[in-house]
Amino acid sequence: KAGVTQTPRYLIKTRGQQVTLSCSPISGHRSVSWYQQTPGQGLQFLFEYFSETQRNKGNFPGRFSGRQFSNSRSEMNVSTLELGDSALYLCASSGQGAGGELFFGEGSRLTVL
Amino acid sequence: KQEVTQIPAALSVPEGENLVLNCSFTDSAIYNLQWFRQDPGKGLTSLLLIQSSQREQTSGRLNASLDKSSGRSTLYIAASQPGDSATYLCAVVYNNNDMRFGAGTRLTVKP
Repeated sequence: KAGVTQTPRYLIKTRGQQVTLSCSPISGHRSVSWYQQTPGQGLQFLFEYFSETQRNKGNFPGRFSGRQFSNSRSEMNVSTLELGDSALYLCASSGQGAGGELFFGEGSRLTVL
Repeated sequence: KQEVTQIPAALSVPEGENLVLNCSFTDSAIYNLQWFRQDPGKGLTSLLLIQSSQREQTSGRLNASLDKSSGRSTLYIAASQPGDSATYLCAVVYNNNDMRFGAGTRLTVKP
């Protein structure tokens, strides 16, 4: 059974640009959640989608957005990039919805110059 | 404020030693608690998930306990091996669906 797949694994952007990250969950999982990990702030929850609906949202500015498609694949978008957005962005899927066991992808490492 | 704290931040032990990692949380209204390991530059690997109604979970050399009244969970690793070297994180899902991660404990097991 394939795990959670995140693309791209690495990317470099400049300030002011936007970026879109993709996450394919484990087959059959309908919940996808996104997290930002930085050395200073640690792991922080961004948002969670279940059956194409955003079910929960962390405390991030509106520049961070996401969506989920009918096949459960999810994308997150960050607009008007800032230096502080440099981070490892992790996606996790769950087969049980809110509070279920999480299975993480390898992450997308974003560097903003 | 719902905070999760992990102590110690780093731990170095010789191979074969048994060890305990700690996770404390400030709000006892938790839904579940999950322990993960993270290798450098990688994603998180789920180790154990404890529901709020459970007291402990075991998987191989790992045992996690949960004491909601004291706001604590411990991860016990028996007979540690160099391959156990990683950062261990605990994550708490609260009843209001808020999820908080600890900062992690960086474990080094020396051969």
